[in-house]
Amino acid sequence: EAGVAQSPRYKIIEKRQSVAFWCNPISGHATLYWYQQILGQGPKLLIQFQNNGVVDDSQLPKDRFSAERLKGVDSTLKIQPAKLEDSAVYLCASSPVQGRSYEQYFGPGTRLTVT
Amino acid sequence: GENVEQHPSTLSVQEGDSAVIKCTYSDSASNYFPWYKQELGKRPQLIIDIRSNVGEKKDQRIAVTLNKTAKHFSLHITETQPEDSAVYFCAASMSGSARQLTFGSGTQLTVLP
Repeated sequence: EAGVAQSPRYKIIEKRQSVAFWCNPISGHATLYWYQQILGQGPKLLIQFQNNGVVDDSQLPKDRFSAERLKGVDSTLKIQPAKLEDSAVYLCASSPVQGRSYEQYFGPGTRLTVT
Repeated sequence: GENVEQHPSTLSVQEGDSAVIKCTYSDSASNYFPWYKQELGKRPQLIIDIRSNVGEKKDQRIAVTLNKTAKHFSLHITETQPEDSAVYFCAASMSGSARQLTFGSGTQLTVLP
């Protein structure tokens, strides 16, 4: 099966600019996650969707970050305006919601550099 | 919320030796504990996981142990090889619809030839 797809792979922007990331999960996976991974740290959950509804966005900085998952498939994460501390890899992951599977499958990530 | 602490942050071993990475978690409701391997510039990949109804699980050279009373779990890699060099992350999750993962801070494992 095809894995989780993300684009772009790399992005360099100046502070105060805006940026958007795209994620296409594994077909049939109802749950989608966005993580922020700062260099040298573990991934930190930003937002979780189940189908097109938000399950948890408690760690999403809502003054500058937004995310949507229209039609319960693809998702976009936006940052506006970006700050220097937003430099990180943004990982998308998906998981089937039914059954005993807890495994999350990660995409390759988007490396964001804010200058 | 859940808090996962991982140590050591770096670990160097000679090829063929064993490596052990330890994690502690704070929320006694957590019941799923995966370990991910992340090579430089690559995505995290699940290498082994354990659920709270099991104390130990093995898969070839990799094993994970869980002590629910003490709220800690460990990754054991035997007969290490240079290709085992990577960053390893532990994580914890609770059951239910959320199944969110809280990750540790990672261990950079270097296997010296």
